[in-house]
Amino acid sequence: GDSVTQMEGPVTLSEEAFLTINCTYTATGYPSLFWYVQYPGEGLQLLLKATKADDKGSNKGFEATYRKETTSFHLEKGSVQVSDSAVYFCALKTGNQFYFGTGTSLTVIP
Amino acid sequence: DGGITQSPKYLFRKEGQNVTLSCEQNLNHDAMYWYRQDPGQGLRLIYYSQIVNDFQKGDIAEGYSVSREKKESFPLTVTSAQKNPTAFYLCASSFLYNEQFFGPGTRLTVL
Repeated sequence: GDSVTQMEGPVTLSEEAFLTINCTYTATGYPSLFWYVQYPGEGLQLLLKATKADDKGSNKGFEATYRKETTSFHLEKGSVQVSDSAVYFCALKTGNQFYFGTGTSLTVIP
Repeated sequence: DGGITQSPKYLFRKEGQNVTLSCEQNLNHDAMYWYRQDPGQGLRLIYYSQIVNDFQKGDIAEGYSVSREKKESFPLTVTSAQKNPTAFYLCASSFLYNEQFFGPGTRLTVL
């Protein structure tokens, strides 16, 4: 069945470090891919999305490229800030079904 | 402002009680969803609804019930049959075939 696998956490980085959170997927058809962010005690917020192969989603300095050949959608940011500390979820949508990864916790230290 | 509201933010339940969590959206979304999140875990789908007066079970529907009498509202009842209900509950909505938008969540604790 369709599924998302993302990098285990937790991840701890120093401020201004480069961030990569890996996400790979298994899907039939042509899924849309998403990254969501969850701050402590809050709901999930959509961070970025890509709806077809080679699309790049970007928002707030975060980027992810939809790679069909490697079935991946890795999240990257060139210089993280303390305020980026949160849990990040990769997700895919096929038809009207959504599948979420287990989340990767990121802590950025000053 | 358009958005999804959940109430209450915190809810306490005694053993054997049913409790109802509210979810309202004014985004004119067709579909609504309920997820459960346990500490350090991902999201697990409880129920979803794509149209008024219709809903489907998700992966962990046992011990929960829902209704969808209005497009804007999708309340979740946690019944006494749910043996381990302490969790963070998230409601989401979407247009069909589009991304989901989430509410702020309700934290349920069994006393």
